[in-house]
Amino acid sequence: QKEVEQDPGPLSVPEGAIVSLNCTYSNSAFQYFMWYRQYSRKGPELLMYTYSSGNKEDGRFTAQVDKSSKYISLFIRDSQPSDSATYLCAMRAGAQKLVFGQGTRLTINP
Amino acid sequence: EAGVTQSPTHLIKTRGQQATLRCSPISGHTSVYWYQQALGLGLQFLLWYDEGEERNRGNFPPRFSGRQFPNYSSELNVNALELEDSALYLCASSEHGPQPQHFGDGTRLSIL
Repeated sequence: QKEVEQDPGPLSVPEGAIVSLNCTYSNSAFQYFMWYRQYSRKGPELLMYTYSSGNKEDGRFTAQVDKSSKYISLFIRDSQPSDSATYLCAMRAGAQKLVFGQGTRLTINP
Repeated sequence: EAGVTQSPTHLIKTRGQQATLRCSPISGHTSVYWYQQALGLGLQFLLWYDEGEERNRGNFPPRFSGRQFPNYSSELNVNALELEDSALYLCASSEHGPQPQHFGDGTRLSIL
């Protein structure tokens, strides 16, 4: 069983829709949770970083962490074609390596 | 502020050769991480350097090695290249401690 599970998609939604991306994990030692966005032929770009259960909002993006269920989510409101990319969840215990999900390929259709 | 820079962008080698990849972290960052992103395998942790010392390595053979220089830049060396080493190699940097990691755009290594 992988430490981090993420539905690879692909996921295709119309412009303006609310997008929900999810990851589950098995290692209860994970304390820090991140979402990255990766465009084709580019490196991952940090979108959200959190270390506590609950919600964190940044513009159109909301990250949600539920440590009791070992489940994290990223919500994108008012989705735009420029949001089309691969979204990666990542997590770690302390100042250690990041463990990534497989990534979800998202397409926003105009 | 300049981001993480990696060179070269693309590297083509043949089996058995050696490859050297380079990374310059964001100014003020002392930790450098290396990851491999191979098709179908996702991002896998390779190495972590902090303040000049190797702190952790992933489940990769010893022919993957590296070092961090006094200016915190880093290089990744891959010896005796194999076809399955073809991948995007990503470098990330962070401030000391459990801080967010920021990535460069990677070096695409192709083994012929």
